[in-house]
Amino acid sequence: TQLLEQSPQFLSIQEGENLTVYCNSSSVFSSLQWYRQEPGEGPVLLVTVVTGGEVKKLKRLTFQFGDARKDSSLHITAAQPGDTGLYLCAGRTSGTYKYIFGTGTRLKVLA
Amino acid sequence: EAGVTQFPSHSVIEKGQTVTLRCDPISGHDNLYWYRRVMGKEIKFLLHFVKESKQDESGMPNNRFLAERTGGTYSTLKVQPAELEDSGVYFCASSLRDRGAYEQYFGPGTRLTVT
Repeated sequence: TQLLEQSPQFLSIQEGENLTVYCNSSSVFSSLQWYRQEPGEGPVLLVTVVTGGEVKKLKRLTFQFGDARKDSSLHITAAQPGDTGLYLCAGRTSGTYKYIFGTGTRLKVLA
Repeated sequence: EAGVTQFPSHSVIEKGQTVTLRCDPISGHDNLYWYRRVMGKEIKFLLHFVKESKQDESGMPNNRFLAERTGGTYSTLKVQPAELEDSGVYFCASSLRDRGAYEQYFGPGTRLTVT
C-alpha cells in the first residue's frame, strides 16, 4: 500500500517565523501536489511539481520535489496568521489520475 | 465561473438507511472524482469518471457503494445500506480532460454521519 507520510503532524509557530513541512514516501510519483484546506471547505490546490529536483515558488511558499520523486517539501518564509490551515501533499503514480493523499500537517500561525 | 458543488453539505442517517450524495462538477470538466476522508485518516480516492464512463473504481470500498454519472454531467454516490464505518467527509473533484494529472478542483464535501 502506498503511503505518504507528512511531518510534522501539528505545528504552532509565531508570526514571522519560517517553517518546513515534509512529505515522504517509498513510492515514486509522476507528479506531486500540495493543497491547503480550511474548515468546512475542500482542499485548494497550491502547486503541482512533476520533475525530480523541481523547485516552485508561490510568494512566500517554496515547494521542492525530491530528485528521486519520492519526497517533497513545503517551506514557508515569514509565516502569517493567514497561512493557518491544513496542508496536504498528494502524489500520483504513472498511468492514473488517482492521487494518494498524505496524512496532513495542521499549521497554526499565532499573531 | 461556479466551482464544484456538492449536496447535501451534511447528512445524518441511521445504520441500514440509504443516502445519495450529489456532485456537480465545473462546467466542461470531463473528469470527475470521488474521494473520502474517514475520521482521523487521510483522504482516499474512491473512483474516477471520464464523462459517463468509470475509468478507475479501484478505491470503492465494497458493493454497498454505487456511483453514477448519467449524461456525463453531475454524479451521484449512493450508499446502501449505510454502515457506521461509512461516516466521514465525501469530496468530489473535477478537472479538464487533459489536465486531470495536474489540476483537480475540489468541492466543499458532504459530511456523512451514520448513527
